[in-house]
Amino acid sequence: EMVLTQSPGTLSLSPGERATLSCRASQNVGSSYLAWYQQKPGQAPRLLIYGASSRATGIPDRFSGSGSGTDFTLTISRLEPEDVAVYYCQQYGSASFTFGPGTKVDIK
Amino acid sequence: QVQLVQSGAEVKKPGSSVKVSCRASGGTFRSDVLNWVRQAPGQGPEWMGGIIPMFARPNYAKKFQGRVTFTADESTSTVYMELSSLKSEDTAVYYCARPLDTRIVYDAFDIWGQGTMVTVSS
Repeated sequence: EMVLTQSPGTLSLSPGERATLSCRASQNVGSSYLAWYQQKPGQAPRLLIYGASSRATGIPDRFSGSGSGTDFTLTISRLEPEDVAVYYCQQYGSASFTFGPGTKVDIK
Repeated sequence: QVQLVQSGAEVKKPGSSVKVSCRASGGTFRSDVLNWVRQAPGQGPEWMGGIIPMFARPNYAKKFQGRVTFTADESTSTVYMELSSLKSEDTAVYYCARPLDTRIVYDAFDIWGQGTMVTVSS
């Protein structure tokens, strides 16, 4: 069964800084079957990135995704206060769905 | 604009069952894949399975096979998730979610219900 590992567990940055979040898969995901979600307290997850690098509708261009195979990255180019949330990666390429444990992003 | 509206919070005893509903509006429903995802407190989401109402043939994640049942009512555009033999570890928020491309069974989840909190406690 596919396992996703995310790092770091928590990221504390100042507004305007660049945030780099990592997601590593235990098996090859392929280039197109990796998504990223943002979740704020009390809300459902919100799709940010699908197909590893395509932004979902309405997502600001400061969010970008990259990677293939087993290593993927979500980058927030200039952190805004409203970006405080937990970010999850998800794979959907192995006839099932798996989520990572999440990275919490805080503002210093 | 597609929306998924779920039933309200539930409190259940260990060993009992819970049934959560998810009503879809604005889509084609009968041919759309709808998935169930749960999230225990402080944990990442966990996929439980999915159903395409017109085929009425659910696809359950291995972990939940034998304990979960998905059904669909096309007349009300509603899907149901019933989980039996509840344990304290089943305490979680349960979501229904629709994929970005509803013709694809395995795709990122674009639209989510608001979530239903299920608490299992004696």
